[in-house]
Amino acid sequence: QQQVKQSPQSLIVQKGGISIINCAYENTAFDYFPWYQQFPGKGPALLIAIRPDVSEKKEGRFTISFNKSAKQFSLHIMDSQPGDSATYFCAASKGFNKFYFGSGTKLNVKP
Amino acid sequence: SAVISQKPSRDICQRGTSLTIQCQVDSQVTMMFWYRQQPGQSLTLIATANQGSEATYESGFVIDKFPISRPNLTFSTLTVSNMSPEDSSIYLCSATLFSGNTIYFGEGSWLTVV
Repeated sequence: QQQVKQSPQSLIVQKGGISIINCAYENTAFDYFPWYQQFPGKGPALLIAIRPDVSEKKEGRFTISFNKSAKQFSLHIMDSQPGDSATYFCAASKGFNKFYFGSGTKLNVKP
Repeated sequence: SAVISQKPSRDICQRGTSLTIQCQVDSQVTMMFWYRQQPGQSLTLIATANQGSEATYESGFVIDKFPISRPNLTFSTLTVSNMSPEDSSIYLCSATLFSGNTIYFGEGSWLTVV
């Protein structure tokens, strides 16, 4: 059973556009929802994270929107740049004991 | 934050052999994990490395195939035993700090079994 479902699998966005990646989860006990960015040949790096007591968190061009009732959260990348081209993973955890990852979204930002 | 170093970063291994991957963290951490990521795929948790005791394995992974050690708070090893081409993958070490704010990853060890 997949704990975290992520979509789309791939995404092409023009430079300056908005990239939106969506995730849904099943376990209401999850209390931490991070997003990771991974470049080819590198390990995943934390991008931004949110807890379920807030509906939105913004850091620079990156925003997480969180809908607790729908059990969904999404990553928005504003003013997308070619340097943002990478694979993005959402994840969910309960108490940092175990992290469940989405299937990943490969983002390609075209110049 | 934490810096996680893995060795080797890349290796080509013969079928039937075993390889041990080392993971060193520059900070004292609470939990250490080992993940597998096949090219273009998501991360699959292999096991949680417990300090001074046997690792906790996820469904589909067994100790005989993936023995794990964690002799102290900052170091762990993962051995991939009796390798087959299906074991070709990226193996990622990860850890959470005592502050417990997130999970950090190493750069990964890319294994190719021929």
